[in-house]
Amino acid sequence: SQTIHQWPATLVQPVGSPLSLECTVEGTSNPNLYWYRQAAGRGLQLLFYSVGIGQISSEVPQNLSASRPQDRQFILSSKKLLLSDSGFYLCAWSVGGGAEQFFGPGTRLTVL
Amino acid sequence: GQNIDQPTEMTATEGAIVQINCTYQTSGFNGLFWYQQHAGEAPTFLSYNVLDGLEEKGRFSSFLSRSKGYSYLLLKELQMKDSASYLCAVRDNAGNMLTFGGGTRLMVKP
Repeated sequence: SQTIHQWPATLVQPVGSPLSLECTVEGTSNPNLYWYRQAAGRGLQLLFYSVGIGQISSEVPQNLSASRPQDRQFILSSKKLLLSDSGFYLCAWSVGGGAEQFFGPGTRLTVL
Repeated sequence: GQNIDQPTEMTATEGAIVQINCTYQTSGFNGLFWYQQHAGEAPTFLSYNVLDGLEEKGRFSSFLSRSKGYSYLLLKELQMKDSASYLCAVRDNAGNMLTFGGGTRLMVKP
């Protein structure tokens, strides 16, 4: 069966510090991978998606970046965090071609 | 682009039926999803509609009208554990992306 992991589960970082969130998927090959952010009490905002290694599409211009160094690994990064980067970050995967998306447990980021 | 509207909050009584509506205006459409999200947790898949009509899955049903840009999620025999946010999402023509509405927070009261 397929599983998706995210770490860390929670993170508190000062403004201006770097960020690296990791997501890995097991039990499937060549998945589509997604990064979403959810502000408190709000819907999900798509940040990045990837259909293959090294292929990243950005939906929202901001100080975040994403990379896919391996087939089942997706990393979200920032060089300098802003207060507005606080939120719940969710990684998701789907089988290519538009099937439902399966979400990881999420990382709750607080920027102080 | 995609614009998806849902009510922000709803309240219902245990054992009752509740209908959560979702309207969308999109430049492309290739299916509509409903997800459930309990506070602090990841969303979990509930239902998927790509053709007009009703899809039933136990206590939950979802309806789609593509001509009206409208969907609803129907929850029957409400239980306290159904208190959660319900997210409506539309898939684009390429099939790679979902655009989510803001979610409807449902509170089930005894």
